[in-house]
Amino acid sequence: EIVMTQSPATLSVSPGERATLSCRASQSISTNLAWYQQKPGQAPRLLIYGASTRATDIPARFSGSGSGTEFTLTISSLQSEDFAVYSCQQYNNWPPTFSFGPGTIVDIK
Amino acid sequence: EVQLVESGGGLVQPGGSLRLSCAASGFTLSSYEMNWVRQAPGKGLEWISHITSSTSNVYYADSVKGRFTISRDNAKNSVYLQMNSLRAEDTAVYYCASFGSRGNWFDPWGQGTLVTVSS
Repeated sequence: EIVMTQSPATLSVSPGERATLSCRASQSISTNLAWYQQKPGQAPRLLIYGASTRATDIPARFSGSGSGTEFTLTISSLQSEDFAVYSCQQYNNWPPTFSFGPGTIVDIK
Repeated sequence: EVQLVESGGGLVQPGGSLRLSCAASGFTLSSYEMNWVRQAPGKGLEWISHITSSTSNVYYADSVKGRFTISRDNAKNSVYLQMNSLRAEDTAVYYCASFGSRGNWFDPWGQGTLVTVSS
């Protein structure tokens, strides 16, 4: 079983600042990683797949990087609508045993 | 507009059963592999089940194996999750989600349906 961890648990950031979120896999997953944004009471929204490819209609201020076991999601200049929970997900296995990280809360400083 | 809409959630007693439905609009669900993902209150996301598009091979997380059954009816553009022997720890919002167009990430997602297991 691949275990996903994320850090920090909570990130307090001022609007306009840069946010850097980390995700780690317990074993190598190549670039088979996705990032999701979730706001209270809403379903998750896909941001990034393939570790670094932005999904359709995702603003360029969101970027992803990494491979193997270490991954990063960067929000270059936080907007008010970006305050949310961000989760990573690995999809390296087949048969599927997809796993998510516990999430990072990005809140207003 | 591509949309997934879940239904069938509610309050059920421990040991009871519930059937969730996920209806697609704006796209032909039969072409897509589908999943159920859940989120317990205040917790992270947990993938629980997958069904392939044409062969209908099914897969489950260990936490629900033997109790939950995923199925699909392509003629009705719908996917289902039959949940038996429900436990308190099954309390969660249940989302259906399609695989992405080119890989095994989840996109789009439905809005979710709440299942509460309590006496």
